[in-house]
Amino acid sequence: DAGITQSPRHKVTETGTPVTLRCHQTENHRYMYWYRQDPGHGLRLIHYSYGVKDTDKGEVSDGYSVSRSKTEDFLLTLESATSSQTSVYFCAISAVSGSYEQYFGPGTRLTVT
Amino acid sequence: DQQVKQNSPSLSVQEGRISILNCDYTNSMFDYFLWYKKYPAEGPTFLISISSIKDKNEDGRFTVFLNKSAKHLSLHIVPSQPGDSAVYFCAASAGDKVIFGPGTSLSVIP
Repeated sequence: DAGITQSPRHKVTETGTPVTLRCHQTENHRYMYWYRQDPGHGLRLIHYSYGVKDTDKGEVSDGYSVSRSKTEDFLLTLESATSSQTSVYFCAISAVSGSYEQYFGPGTRLTVT
Repeated sequence: DQQVKQNSPSLSVQEGRISILNCDYTNSMFDYFLWYKKYPAEGPTFLISISSIKDKNEDGRFTVFLNKSAKHLSLHIVPSQPGDSAVYFCAASAGDKVIFGPGTSLSVIP
């Protein structure tokens, strides 16, 4: 299994509070991705990174920001959580690019009340 | 507007028979297609892929077919096994981004 972890694995927070999710990899892969999974929508790309301090937006980036200061860590921040951001969040890594296989973390279940 | 569609939310198949999962896409710029498998409470895992320059790729019990003119691909699993019961996501890429379909839940009945 690829060395990719996510923390926390579960979180319940209140509307309006900031939340940061962490993705950590030990594979030294260049590309890192954040997705959210919702019923009927599959996996939707939030943001991705193609190198340290190099990030770009995905399909559903509004309300989210990311940072990547080290190769191994990719942080996803909800500046002010809303109930519509209740979801399961997956981090993924890829050595080459999105065109090739990605390795996914175990997911973080976030509930915003 | 979904660029990658999986119109069957669920599929049930008898053990030993063939499972066929379908996927349609709208963007002709997609040049690489992938299938991922997901069990409950786990992250998706890569299953098989195909480049747009090919029309078939096979890996053991899994075969992916691509029909570019119809913008359609399918995943064949034969023979199907109970352990294949999972959600299958079709994905398409152009460059660094990947677009996933909504998934098809496959149940293989013993």
